[in-house]
Amino acid sequence: EIVLTQSPGTLSLSPGERATLSCRASQSVSSSYLAWYQQKPGQAPRLLIYGASSRATGIPDRFSGSGSGTDFTLTISRLEPEDFAVYYCQQYGSSPPAYTFGQGTKLEIK
Amino acid sequence: QVTLRESGPALVKPTQTLTLTCTFSGFSLSTSGMCVSWVRQPPGKALEWLALIDWDDDKYYSTSLKTRLTISKDTSKNQVVLTMTNMDPVDTATYYCARVIYGDYVLDYWGQGTLVTVSS
Repeated sequence: EIVLTQSPGTLSLSPGERATLSCRASQSVSSSYLAWYQQKPGQAPRLLIYGASSRATGIPDRFSGSGSGTDFTLTISRLEPEDFAVYYCQQYGSSPPAYTFGQGTKLEIK
Repeated sequence: QVTLRESGPALVKPTQTLTLTCTFSGFSLSTSGMCVSWVRQPPGKALEWLALIDWDDDKYYSTSLKTRLTISKDTSKNQVVLTMTNMDPVDTATYYCARVIYGDYVLDYWGQGTLVTVSS
């Protein structure tokens, strides 16, 4: 079973700064099946990025995803106040079909 | 417009069976490529995938919880039901259902979640 490890656990930044969140897989993951979600307190997760680098519908272009193999990154180019939340990476594996989530990175206001 | 809504008991006792219903609109589980998945989140913890059912009635489960889970669908009612047997306090969590499109394999629309507490 693939394990996703996100780092850092908590990231403290100020609005306007650049955020870089990491997701490392225990074995190679297909880029097609790597996604990122944002979750705010009391809300359901929201799909941000799929296929490692494609933005979901309605997601601002300050969010970008990159990476391949075992190392993936979510970048927020200029933080807006509404971006402070918890971010999860997720991968889909087909043998057998299953989803795995990382443990999350909390992005907090410095 | 795609929407999903979870419903079920807020409180269950240890050893009981939990039954949750996901009622959705804006898509049909009789349409090729459509799937619904369940995910849970203990308070303050990470997301955990539980199960998925597809348009063809294929079912997939978390390896660690497979023996306790059953997922089913009622296409005419636009509902997906998840049962989890032998509930334990560690199963206390918010349970979400979400839509998945075959081929994309991402959870693109989510319900708001329902909190289930396991306590005697």
